[in-house]
Amino acid sequence: RKEVEQDPGPFNVPEGATVAFNCTYSNSASQSFFWYRQDCRKEPKLLMSVYSSGNEDGRFTAQLNRASQYISLLIRDSKLSDSATYLCAVNGIRRALTFGSGTRLQVQP
Amino acid sequence: ETGVTQSPTHLIKTRGQQVTLRCSSQSGHNTVSWYQQALGQGPQFIFQYYREEENGRGNFPPRFSGLQFPNYSSELNVNALELDDSALYLCASSLGGGINTGELFFGEGSRLTVL
Repeated sequence: RKEVEQDPGPFNVPEGATVAFNCTYSNSASQSFFWYRQDCRKEPKLLMSVYSSGNEDGRFTAQLNRASQYISLLIRDSKLSDSATYLCAVNGIRRALTFGSGTRLQVQP
Repeated sequence: ETGVTQSPTHLIKTRGQQVTLRCSSQSGHNTVSWYQQALGQGPQFIFQYYREEENGRGNFPPRFSGLQFPNYSSELNVNALELDDSALYLCASSLGGGINTGELFFGEGSRLTVL
């Protein structure tokens, strides 16, 4: 089983839609969780950290479910500019952040 | 921009050759991590350096090696290149040194093609 797993998508949604991604992790001792955004052929950039109580940043909401070992990202009112690959990252067992393979989002006009 | 710079941005090598990639970390960051990202995959952890010592390593063979210098800049060396080494190599700097629980600041990467 991979340490971090994501549905690769692509998720094709119309502008204005709400879309949600999940990411499961295998290491129950993980303490830090993040969502990164990666545009095509660019480097990953931090979108938001994920806190135990859940957190919101504008149209983006991140949640953590420790019991089921997954994190989620909700995007409301999708914009064309949200089209990207969304990577979840979890602090893993080798002193590093472990990334999922990413979920590709395509927002269509 | 993150302030993390990598060089070269693109390079082409042939099988069996050796390559050195370089990274300057963001000012004040003492930890550098290297990741390999193959097409369509997420970044895979290669290793991490803190205070000039390797303090964490992923599932990569010994022909992947690195250095960190007193100014926290870093190099990734890959010997005996294989076709599967073709990927985007990302350097990330951060604070903390121990188990990495903080945000990573990535450079734009070095895209390596092995023919």
